Amino acid sequence: NAGVTQTPKFQVLKTGQSMTLQCAQDMNHNSMYWYRQDPGMGLRLIYYSASEGTTDKGEVPNGYNVSRLNKREFSLRLESAAPSQTSVYFCASSGDRGRTEAFFGQGTRLTVV
Amino acid sequence: GDSVTQMEGPVTLSEEAFLTINCTYTATGYPSLFWYVQYPGEGLQLLLKATKADDKGSNKGFEATYRKETTSFHLEKGSVQVSDSAVYFCALSERGRSGGGADGLTFGKGTHLIIQP
Repeated sequence: NAGVTQTPKFQVLKTGQSMTLQCAQDMNHNSMYWYRQDPGMGLRLIYYSASEGTTDKGEVPNGYNVSRLNKREFSLRLESAAPSQTSVYFCASSGDRGRTEAFFGQGTRLTVV
Repeated sequence: GDSVTQMEGPVTLSEEAFLTINCTYTATGYPSLFWYVQYPGEGLQLLLKATKADDKGSNKGFEATYRKETTSFHLEKGSVQVSDSAVYFCALSERGRSGGGADGLTFGKGTHLIIQP
């Protein structure tokens, strides 16, 4: 069972470069999420998608864009990476608008130099 | 808005000790409550959950009871093992929202648990 799959697992970017983090789930979930995890901060919601074709901002959306390509896939894009975006990024999905448990991917460790 | 407060640690215990990690929350509605565990280099895994007041979630020897009167969801285990060393996150998810506000989980900052042999 694949669950939630994220790529890549590791990435180093130079300031100003762009990249897209990919996420796919095979559980037929409607809701998908992008979080970032920073030391001492827990996980903070960047963007979420309650259903295919819709996206909404979370707590820390600045500097990011997202695309809900279809029901399975939800990508996160950094248009011009900054050192403050160095973090571990997690994609997650859930079946009932977040009212039930979320399933997480393995994470992408991003370093911006 | 919603918030979750938990002890941050690190919490260091000896094997077979009793564990309590405190978690309290603030929410406007009727949240579901969760404990997630993160092992080194991995994503978060659901440990247990409770969806209404007085529910007890349990898994792998861990337990937590949803206490509405004290807005708490403390994690306990009677005898910890070295393999329990990980970061534990308390989280909530609002139910019953009619619209507006962000979906998704609200997390505490995590508690790093270290179990020594």
